[in-house]
Amino acid sequence: NAGVTQTPKFRILKIGQSMTLQCTQDMNHNYMYWYRQDPGMGLKLIYYSVGAGITDKGEVPNGYNVSRSTTEDFPLRLELAAPSQTSVYFCASSYSDSNPLHFGNGTRLTVT
Amino acid sequence: QQQVKQSPQSLIVQKGGIPIINCAYENTAFDYFPWYQQFPGKGPALLIAIRPDVSEKKEGRFTISFNKSAKQFSLHIMDSQPGDSATYFCAASQDRGSTLGRLYFGRGTQLTVWP
Repeated sequence: NAGVTQTPKFRILKIGQSMTLQCTQDMNHNYMYWYRQDPGMGLKLIYYSVGAGITDKGEVPNGYNVSRSTTEDFPLRLELAAPSQTSVYFCASSYSDSNPLHFGNGTRLTVT
Repeated sequence: QQQVKQSPQSLIVQKGGIPIINCAYENTAFDYFPWYQQFPGKGPALLIAIRPDVSEKKEGRFTISFNKSAKQFSLHIMDSQPGDSATYFCAASQDRGSTLGRLYFGRGTQLTVWP
């Protein structure tokens, strides 16, 4: 099994551009999450989903959008990139609420 | 505002030493406290977790101590090895009215174990 796969691994965006960070998992997990990690700040939850068609905001949702049309995929959309969105983005999944999170290896995004 | 406060920011120990990382929280609704380990270029991976109904939990060389009245918990790594060199994050979440995966992370501790 591949686990949680994130693409791309690296991306540089100009201010105002848009992009979608892809996340897919092959473990048939119901719960999926997007976190961002800034240096020295830990990880902060952006959005999460408890199943296909259901999404909810996390701690820092502004400037992002998500959708969950299938169990496997949970893309994160940045509509108008800003320098404050420079970060490493991690997607995670779990089978149920009480199971541990499995993280992908992240997407490093720079907005200049 | 940081919901979970973690210290120290960095820690250097000799092989065989016992590094201790401390975390504190304010929200008494938190009822799940995991520790994650992260190597460079990788995502975090769950190391060990504790619920507030126990004061200590051991898994191999890793121990969580939990003090509910003080709202503090800590990670101890026994007989530390160079392979334990990584960044460690404590976290917290609540079950009721939320999802356990909705984690609030500490800022992380960069551990270096010298051979």
